[in-house]
Amino acid sequence: QSALTQPASVSGSPGQSLTISCSGGHSDIGTYDSVSWYQVNPGQVPKLILYDNRKRPFGISSRFSGSKSGNSASLTISGLQTEDEADYFCCSFTTSGTMIFGGGTTVTVL
Amino acid sequence: QVQLQQSGPRLLKPSQTLSLTCTIFGDTVSNNTAAWNWIRLSPSGRLEWLGRTNYRSRWYYDYAPGMRGRIGVYPDTSRNQFSLHLTAVTPEDTALYYCARDPVWGHSALDIWGLGTAVTVSS
Repeated sequence: QSALTQPASVSGSPGQSLTISCSGGHSDIGTYDSVSWYQVNPGQVPKLILYDNRKRPFGISSRFSGSKSGNSASLTISGLQTEDEADYFCCSFTTSGTMIFGGGTTVTVL
Repeated sequence: QVQLQQSGPRLLKPSQTLSLTCTIFGDTVSNNTAAWNWIRLSPSGRLEWLGRTNYRSRWYYDYAPGMRGRIGVYPDTSRNQFSLHLTAVTPEDTALYYCARDPVWGHSALDIWGLGTAVTVSS
């Protein structure tokens, strides 16, 4: 079971928008509306920022948005801020009843 | 407010068994909508889901394909805990191990995490 595919890194300037892609297959993203995204800062616990493709937990900024199309999903960060520098991981439920993470994307704010 | 408190040894030798415990506060391990998960973050920065248990009239267990045969996730209703057992560890099992709650099984929405346990496997 290979990890979901994410770009290793993306970067943007403050105020810009950037999008992180997450590619899977029919046995995971393509079957369920259950893609979640996590923000991981060094030395900190992973934080859930989106679930069910596009829903935000209480307290998560509306600058984070998500979408899904076919076997792929994406996370968009609008109005990029320096505090958004972190690693981001997508995750999906699978037809085997397991969960699978993406390889992670490092966001750099220039 | 739900909290997860992790405990367990941090240093193991190759071939030993890793045993970690996650104690639940503010929820119950037998909650019939939630699932209780173990995840690890490798030194290379890779997040890996390991396994889960959940209760719906009976206990269910799911494990990552690469872990089957070595892993067990066990609930303990008397202590309101769940544990991770990983046998025959190697240096490749060196990682930061987390327990986490998925409040609704099947949604992969891990909303509450433990603080993590740094595990090192070395001879």
